[in-house]
Amino acid sequence: DTGVSQDPRHKITKRGQNVTFRCDPISEHNRLYWYRQTLGQGPEFLTYFQNEAQLEKSRLLSDRFSAERPKGSFSTLEIQRTEQGDSAMYLCASSRQRGGMGNTEAFFGQGTRLTVV
Amino acid sequence: AQSVTQLDSQVPVFEEAPVELRCNYSSSVSVYLFWYVQYPNQGLQLLLKYLSGSTLVKGINGFEAEFNKSQTSFHLRKPSVHISDTAEYFCAVSDLGGGGNKLTFGTGTQLKVEL
Repeated sequence: DTGVSQDPRHKITKRGQNVTFRCDPISEHNRLYWYRQTLGQGPEFLTYFQNEAQLEKSRLLSDRFSAERPKGSFSTLEIQRTEQGDSAMYLCASSRQRGGMGNTEAFFGQGTRLTVV
Repeated sequence: AQSVTQLDSQVPVFEEAPVELRCNYSSSVSVYLFWYVQYPNQGLQLLLKYLSGSTLVKGINGFEAEFNKSQTSFHLRKPSVHISDTAEYFCAVSDLGGGGNKLTFGTGTQLKVEL
């Protein structure tokens, strides 16, 4: 078990470009979460998946943000037409949720730091 | 809707001294409560969690927290800190529904342990 893996760790892009981040969860974790963390703030929930189904996406920051988890394994987060305000750390987490009962620990990746210049 | 307030943005403390990091939450429903630690340029690591049962929860690295429902608080404590405890600490809540680890975080408390 190598933990939650995120790629790339750092991304510098010019304003207006599209970027895509990848998250590989812990194997057999059926839930996958995306968060954004700006400087001096706590992580902010964006969206989550149970297997391949995206169960909530209302917190995605704008229609420029989209996420997929096509086969219920890895996930991608895409930001189109990046803006300077998108500069942040993007964190992925995964957990194994059983039958909607209780709560199991979410394991976080090390994040992808995006800088928009 | 839920919210989390961490009253102290920074807490300096000398090594081997006790420390308390404060967390208050607001929610219209019952919640789970968590403390996470984040080292520079790293992801978050779970320190401890309260789901139900005993209100005193023990976690890793000698940390503990007490859930106080009447005061809607979940303060984190350690009786004797070490230089390696220097990090950012986040309190978080989630509701008991199917959202599982859909967490609402506070703004964090920077713990700085000095020699």
